Parts: sequence; structure tokens; C-alpha cells
Amino acid sequence: DAMVIQNPRYQVTQFGKPVTLSCSQTLNHNVMYWYQQKSSQAPKLLFHYYDKDFNNEADTPDNFQSRRPNTSFCFLDIRSPGLGDAAMYLCATSRDGVGYEQYFGPGTRLTVT
Amino acid sequence: GENVEQHPSTLSVQEGDSAVIKCTYSDSASNYFPWYKQELGKGPQLIIDIRSNVGEKKDQRIAVTLNKTAKHFSLHITETQPEDSAVYFCAASKGTGNQFYFGTGTSLTVIP
Repeated sequence: DAMVIQNPRYQVTQFGKPVTLSCSQTLNHNVMYWYQQKSSQAPKLLFHYYDKDFNNEADTPDNFQSRRPNTSFCFLDIRSPGLGDAAMYLCATSRDGVGYEQYFGPGTRLTVT
Repeated sequence: GENVEQHPSTLSVQEGDSAVIKCTYSDSASNYFPWYKQELGKGPQLIIDIRSNVGEKKDQRIAVTLNKTAKHFSLHITETQPEDSAVYFCAASKGTGNQFYFGTGTSLTVIP
């Protein structure tokens, strides 16, 4: 049973055209993360939510925004995608505290044309 | 902030041999160290983890060792099988905000 679901799995957008990626979870975890992963690289944390508290990484471009309307859902908005934003976007969840596993979704592969 | 280094970046072994991947971390406050396996086109999946109050942990063919003094931890896979072929990532976390810092990954190929 899927625990972290990402939609769509593949997304093609045009240069500069806003796009939204979605993530949902059935685990009732209070922490949700968005990572960007480019080919042959480690996942790079963009931001995370601790409940409703939003935590932005210092080097995350302003072009990336996020919303978490409730515990189960989290969205990644890319306001004006550039060619350099083409990547796999991974959503993950975990419980609060040390030593709790992060559960990753399957990712959304974003292509920018 | 935390800096996690991982070596080697690629590793090829014969089926049945052992594979070892090593990571170092910089922040002595890190206290949770998971290892993830990522297959092509999929999200990372946890395969084993270790906390800072433990020196070694084993789960069947997979083991992880932690040396807090030297700030390094290693993944050991014994009796490798072709299905072990994947990219493996180490990570470190301090728990605060649950931020995970990933290593750069090791592409493991098990040759039948």
C-alpha cells in the first residue's frame, strides 16, 4: 500500500510556465519534506514542514514555493521553471524526533522544454 | 552545517563478494545515520540505520558500523546479489527539525 504518493509521476512544462507538484501521505506524519534530485546527485533539501511551520533552506531559490493545507497534503509550486529546474522532485515524510525514518515517495520527474 | 562525504562514487563487485561503502560527517551533534537504496526511477528506500549510542547493527546480509570518535560510518553488504545493484546514499541527522544531510551516493554494480 502506497504511503507517500506523488502526482504526477512525470510532468512536462514549458519554460516559464508555472507548475505544481503534489504529495500526499497516509502515515499521519507531522514532518514533510521536498527534495530536488538531479541526475547522479544526492537529494537536495528544498524545504520542510514541521506541522504547519515552514522551514526554507537558505539556498532554495525564491522561484520555489510550497503549501501544506493539511497534514496529509503538501504542494511544490515552481513559479517560473527554468531549464535548470528539470529534475526529480522527491517528497518525504517522517515523525518528529531523532531516529525516525524518512519515507520517500516515488518522485515526480519534471521536464522543462 | 553538516557535511557528509561518501566514497567510493562507483563500486563493482562480483556476485557473492562483499561491498563496503564509507561515509564521514562533520557535525559531532549528528546522532542518526540512515542508509538508503535507490533504484532507477524510484525514491530512496531505507535499508538500515544506526543511532549514535550503538556501534554496529546487522540485518541479514547488511550491516552498518559507526565510529563516533572518527565521525565515520560504513555500510557492509555480504554475499552480494545482482538485485543489490543500485545507488546507495548515506545520511546524517541531528534530529533538530529532522533535517537529513545526504552523501553524494555510490553506484553499486553486482556482476553475475
